[in-house]
Amino acid sequence: EPEVTQTPSHQVTQMGQEVILRCVPISNHLYFYWYRQILGQKVEFLVSFYNNEISEKSEIFDDQFSVERPDGSNFTLKIRSTKLEDSAMYFCASSRTGSGYTFGSGTRLTVV
Amino acid sequence: QKEVEQDPGPLSVPEGAIVSLNCTYSNSAFQYFMWYRQYSRKGPELLMYTYSSGNKEDGRFTAQVDKSSKYISLFIRDSQPSDSATYLCAPNAGGTSYGKLTFGQGTILTVHP
Repeated sequence: EPEVTQTPSHQVTQMGQEVILRCVPISNHLYFYWYRQILGQKVEFLVSFYNNEISEKSEIFDDQFSVERPDGSNFTLKIRSTKLEDSAMYFCASSRTGSGYTFGSGTRLTVV
Repeated sequence: QKEVEQDPGPLSVPEGAIVSLNCTYSNSAFQYFMWYRQYSRKGPELLMYTYSSGNKEDGRFTAQVDKSSKYISLFIRDSQPSDSATYLCAPNAGGTSYGKLTFGQGTILTVHP
């Protein structure tokens, strides 16, 4: 069964450093998303991406965050200057139609 | 009032029991209602997808939506230990927000043999 693949599974970074979280969506999918889940809290929407542009973003997705689909297969989330409160599980998801999408297993980001 | 509220449990039932999981929501714009299952250290996995009010059945799972009371339910029949997971309701408004899911807190379910 096709999968959404996320790398790395766990990343530790120092506060203030830039991180890039990588995702390979399912190959024929057109819609791409990032969500995050702080430990013990809800899964929260960050951003949706379609046709090479952001279609919607949440209040969390401020200027420190950016997304890119650099080569037609990868989908990345960049955090420019990480803060302690960015520590969370980050989930990438993709969908062919815009609904019922498939999530990856997540990247656990720890900011120290 | 929170947009989506879900009793976090935990809920513990014996194998074979019928499980009832519930969510309430406040946003009248929600039209699409999803239930996801999340195993420990994994991403959410889509279980059921319902549009508007009514029931939908898929194997041992039944999803119910009552838009008049803004109440969503998931029933699991003949529950199995492999059903032990966190269950997340996730309504969606459709339209320009078609891809954006608003998740509930999740209910932790344990089915013991």
